[in-house]
Amino acid sequence: ETGVTQSPTHLIKTRGQQVTLRCSSQSGHNTVSWYQQALGQGPQFIFQYYREEENGRGNFPPRFSGLQFPNYSSELNVNALELDDSALYLCASSSGQQLTGNTIYFGEGSWLTVV
Amino acid sequence: AQSVTQLGSHVSVSEGALVLLRCNYSSSVPPYLFWYVQYPNQGLQLLLKYTTGATLVKGINGFEAEFKKSETSFHLTKPSAHMSDAAEYFCAVSVQSAGKSTFGDGTTLTVKP
Repeated sequence: ETGVTQSPTHLIKTRGQQVTLRCSSQSGHNTVSWYQQALGQGPQFIFQYYREEENGRGNFPPRFSGLQFPNYSSELNVNALELDDSALYLCASSSGQQLTGNTIYFGEGSWLTVV
Repeated sequence: AQSVTQLGSHVSVSEGALVLLRCNYSSSVPPYLFWYVQYPNQGLQLLLKYTTGATLVKGINGFEAEFKKSETSFHLTKPSAHMSDAAEYFCAVSVQSAGKSTFGDGTTLTVKP
């Protein structure tokens, strides 16, 4: 139990649609990172938010966007869904984005299937 | 940019045998290294991490890893495998915050009775 909760756990969308995934961080954590994990692969860094500002982005197109709220909960939005967006989306929270050695805590993820 | 290579996508050991999962990294600056475990349909759990200091790092569940700069390696070991160790293991590297890690493709560990 990491204290990081994600919703929904599973969802199916049609190509071209939009999706919003949600993450509630562990209490006291002001940094959240989102990862995409395709089947059989390791997680890939999408972006990180620190105190409501984007603080780094991986190699993902602009149709992947995010928000972090004052209570440090977060959303991942994906527009114009493509079949290759089918994956497990993981949220991870930590405290203090500058502290490289800080442990990050993962949620159990949201499984997205695009048909 | 940093990268991680996990040698062997599948490793199978007998219960009680040594577990060795290999990880090599590439980084232009001193890295921070992590091992995570993922059980089916779950998120990732940190096993251990190397930041600075002692190069032999001990983690949870009896796992340990040694940072070898000359070999750019961070292999994960456990002296005696348990059935409950069967899972997917990921090595990750970061040169900034841990939340911006680059992960390897994972190694599936199977433990035979």
